[in-house]
Amino acid sequence: DTGVSQDPRHKITKRGQNVTFRCDPISEHNRLYWYRQTLGQGPEFLTYFQNEAQLEKSRLLSDRFSAERPKGSFSTLEIQRTEQGDSAMYLCASSPTTGLWNTIYFGEGSWLTVV
Amino acid sequence: QKEVEQNSGPLSVPEGAIASLNCTYSDRGSQSFFWYRQYSGKSPELIMSIYSNGDKEDGRFTAQLNKASQYVSLLIRDSQPSDSATYLCAVNTGWGKLQFGAGTQVVVTP
Repeated sequence: DTGVSQDPRHKITKRGQNVTFRCDPISEHNRLYWYRQTLGQGPEFLTYFQNEAQLEKSRLLSDRFSAERPKGSFSTLEIQRTEQGDSAMYLCASSPTTGLWNTIYFGEGSWLTVV
Repeated sequence: QKEVEQNSGPLSVPEGAIASLNCTYSDRGSQSFFWYRQYSGKSPELIMSIYSNGDKEDGRFTAQLNKASQYVSLLIRDSQPSDSATYLCAVNTGWGKLQFGAGTQVVVTP
């Protein structure tokens, strides 16, 4: 399978713990995005990378969230001191072009439940 | 605040009929628009993209775009039970950053 890959698919954690999600984009896609989706809502943009550079972060991305993309390949999204409001599906997506109006493709998502 | 609006549904459609989904957006500068299908508990799956005014057909799906009215629609012909899902309208606000509506739930009844 050559699609966007995310790991783990499901994570249950206690409030206050740190969690990290990994995303492997489609090969040769130089753009990578993180979105978050809560029940009954559409996905919300969190941040994106062009190669290894993080170009934009949403105001939704509090100081407890950090994303990296070392070497411009896979990316990680870490949430520190998790809160119950962080419970959501975290979606990674990648894009094949560098244009302004490009199509993005989502991975299968990582579900986070904070108890 | 840029917004994307969809009717939440559920939209109940008899099997074999046409499902019509609507979406309006507020950012006049947007140039690309997408429809994603999302089954319960799964991630969004791209089914249509449209960039120019008019209609774009792909199998049983037709997307329609009217930039002057800031309106995008999706028609699903010959609806099947497997089409039962939530359909998300998304607007590319630039550099692949998508703004999504909350989705329209479609239920195809046998």
